[in-house]
Amino acid sequence: DAKTTQPNSMESNEEEPVHLPCNHSTISGTDYIHWYRQLPSQGPEYVIHGLTSNVNNRMASLAIAEDRKSSTLILHRATLRDAAVYYCILNNAGNMLTFGGGTRLMVKP
Amino acid sequence: GAVVSQHPSRVICKSGTSVKIECRSLDFQATTMFWYRQFPKKSLMLMATSNEGSKATYEQGVEKDKFLINHASLTLSTLTVTSAHPEDSSFYICSARGRVGPPYEQYFGPGTRLTVT
Repeated sequence: DAKTTQPNSMESNEEEPVHLPCNHSTISGTDYIHWYRQLPSQGPEYVIHGLTSNVNNRMASLAIAEDRKSSTLILHRATLRDAAVYYCILNNAGNMLTFGGGTRLMVKP
Repeated sequence: GAVVSQHPSRVICKSGTSVKIECRSLDFQATTMFWYRQFPKKSLMLMATSNEGSKATYEQGVEKDKFLINHASLTLSTLTVTSAHPEDSSFYICSARGRVGPPYEQYFGPGTRLTVT
């Protein structure tokens, strides 16, 4: 499986935008980029996914580099409820999701 | 969005007993379900993949006779931890995938915290 690399942790102030980076230099042409987040003591929650183009939904935006070797999850206005571990995962042809360490986002009031 | 439930959310059992955890897709048919285990401060580790009506595929190092998985219908999968021991204490999470084609998103249950005393 193609691997992803994310910073272990990031901090943000409440109400400010957050950019969570993910490197996936070995991504293949058919890999989808998925983002999930996990709040404490809960199962992961789907956030967003993309293939080549940037994507927006009610939770976040996903910016995908032109060469697809990296992507950035953007939370436009962080709230305390956004404090979680964010996982960037490559998903190809229905294979199981392989979770890396993710990025622990801390939001300061 | 699609909803996946798990029951129970929390269970405490004595060493040597068996525990069954249910995973249900509430508003879609799950062609494939996955079972994960997560230890404190660690990431999710896939235990097994199951397709409705067929035997589960276990990841390396996961004992299939200890962790029995049954995916009897398109909305229900069960994980039974047999002869549980304290080292089996963990957070067990299921996920379900309904769509056959891309982008293959999965929906996760809320997890079951198992404590073996």
